[in-house]
Parts: sequence; structure tokens; C-alpha cells
Amino acid sequence: QQPVQSPQAVILREGEDAVINCSSSKALYSVHWYRQKHGEAPVFLMILLKGGEQKGHEKISASFNEKKQQSSLYLTASQLSYSGTYFCGTEAGNMLTFGGGTRLMVKP
Amino acid sequence: NAGVTQTPKFQVLKTGQSMTLQCAQDMNHEYMSWYRQDPGMGLRLIHYSVGAGITDQGEVPNGYNVSRSTTEDFPLRLLSAAPSQTSVYFCASSSHRGNEQFFGPGTRLTVL
Repeated sequence: QQPVQSPQAVILREGEDAVINCSSSKALYSVHWYRQKHGEAPVFLMILLKGGEQKGHEKISASFNEKKQQSSLYLTASQLSYSGTYFCGTEAGNMLTFGGGTRLMVKP
Repeated sequence: NAGVTQTPKFQVLKTGQSMTLQCAQDMNHEYMSWYRQDPGMGLRLIHYSVGAGITDQGEVPNGYNVSRSTTEDFPLRLLSAAPSQTSVYFCASSSHRGNEQFFGPGTRLTVL
């Protein structure tokens, strides 16, 4: 079963903050976050593992509540380059399944 | 490293035709997966593999077959194409569970 993301879409002004949420009904090993720009492949942002370990490339923060099987991605001081669709992926067993995505638009 | 490569980039099929989408990675990754992405939608897992000789079904496996004879290659076969299979197909790989997924550039498939 796919994780559920909210909100479905967000419009921000440059410099504003946003939070994207992801929830699952399964016991999770990890939560992944990716960003996809139109016509391109998804690009890795961060992984949050059961037990507290985090791996990420960018200055983006996220949280993982293992008891509730929920994760949140925090985008602070947004830049124009943050625009795109954000996907959370939840890993249970050996399967990584993705949510429906959150479309983020950052305007000048 | 080339990373994850997919061929072809674009393909048009007629209903009932079969074809194979190719995926290869040169990072010696054990985990490989196939996803489809319909317009404006998320990624849905078709099949995945945790190593050579091992494959398993994902969320939407019907109409597709996979094999994993080598670590590098993970082809996806459409048995009898249907218009509902019109989509963008992404192949991804990772070294093991809990690690970053590297996505290929995608194959845009249209079934008429």
C-alpha cells in the first residue's frame, strides 16, 4: 500500500517555509524523500532510517516518527530551485513504494 | 560511471505487441527496481530484485515480466502491450536496503 502525502500542492514565495507530510499504515524500515522536476528522473534528497540514522545530500531537514509511521520534510527559506514534485518513499521489507507526490511551486 | 542507463528513451507500440525495456547499472548494486509513472501521478512499483536470480512482484506486476541473470542488468518485458501501459518507466538501483535509489533517465512508452 502506498504512503499518503499531504498537502497535494503548495505555492510559496521565495524565502517562505513549507512542510510536507507522509504517512504509512505499515511498519517501516526507512523513509526516503526525492524531488522530481518536470520531464526528469527523481533525485535523492534524504533517507531516514528506523533507529534515528539520517542520510542526505542537501541542507534539507526531515523527521521520522517510528511509532506513528509518519515523516515530515521541512523546506526552510525556500529558493526558486526548490520548485518541483516531492515524493516520499516508504521501505517495508525489501519494497520501496512511493506516495502520490506534493507539487511545490516557489514564486519570486 | 554511467550510473543507471535505460533504452530506449522513447517507444511507440501497437496493442498486442511485445517488447523489452532495458536497464543496466555499473555500480555493482544488488537492488534494482522498475517503476511506472502515469501523467501527474506518483511512482508505482512493478517488480524488484534483491540480487541476481532473485525477483519479486511489486504493486502493479500484471502484464510485465522481469529476469535478473546478472547483477548489472534488469530487463522489463511487456508481454502483450495495452493502452493502459502507456506511461514513463523508470529503472532504479541501490546498493542495499535503506540506501539511496539511483534512477535511470526513463523510457517514455506509448501504446496505441
